[in-house]
Amino acid sequence: DAGVIQSPRHEVTEMGQEVTLRCKPISGHNSLFWYRQTMMRGLELLIYFNNNVPIDDSGMPEDRFSAKMPNASFSTLKIQPSEPRDSAVYFCASSLWVSAWGEQYFGPGTRLTVT
Amino acid sequence: AQKITQTQPGMFVQEKEAVTLDCTYDTSDPSYGLFWYKQPSSGEMIFLIYQGSYDQQNATEGRYSLNFQKARKSANLVISASQLGDSAMYFCAMRFYDKVIFGPGTSLSVIP
Repeated sequence: DAGVIQSPRHEVTEMGQEVTLRCKPISGHNSLFWYRQTMMRGLELLIYFNNNVPIDDSGMPEDRFSAKMPNASFSTLKIQPSEPRDSAVYFCASSLWVSAWGEQYFGPGTRLTVT
Repeated sequence: AQKITQTQPGMFVQEKEAVTLDCTYDTSDPSYGLFWYKQPSSGEMIFLIYQGSYDQQNATEGRYSLNFQKARKSANLVISASQLGDSAMYFCAMRFYDKVIFGPGTSLSVIP
């Protein structure tokens, strides 16, 4: 299997611009997670989908952030407008939800820099 | 509130020695999963080992074992026979149906 695929791997943008991060989960996995990692705040769960339905989005920082999962093989995380404090590594992870605690497999991450 | 604590920000271990990374957690939910992940300097997150809250036996995966003490709410990772490639950040995580929580991590350095 190809593993979790994220694109782009690196993104540099100016403050105020829209940023879209993309994720393709492992085929057959039905849970998808978006995380943000910074030195100051560590690894934070932003949103979690189960069978394409958002289960918990309490970690989404504010209205500038939105996430969609239109089908089982694709998800996006959008930031509009972007700000310098959004600079971080954004990870997507997927798992097979059979019980409440399947292990997650992470993508390589997208390093976002907002200037 | 649900929380994970990793009290060792950084640790050193001699190559070929065993090392224990501490993880304690706090929850009142009886059903959860405990995980350890490794993040080398290259940045990827690598799943290492898993323990379910109802599992009676401690999980093992090769050189990794999880010392699960439910009453004490601890889930320590033991790495046997450390290798230079084990140098990395190690994160303890806890998963519920509707939430995943990661600890702050422990940086492990293996000394030749």
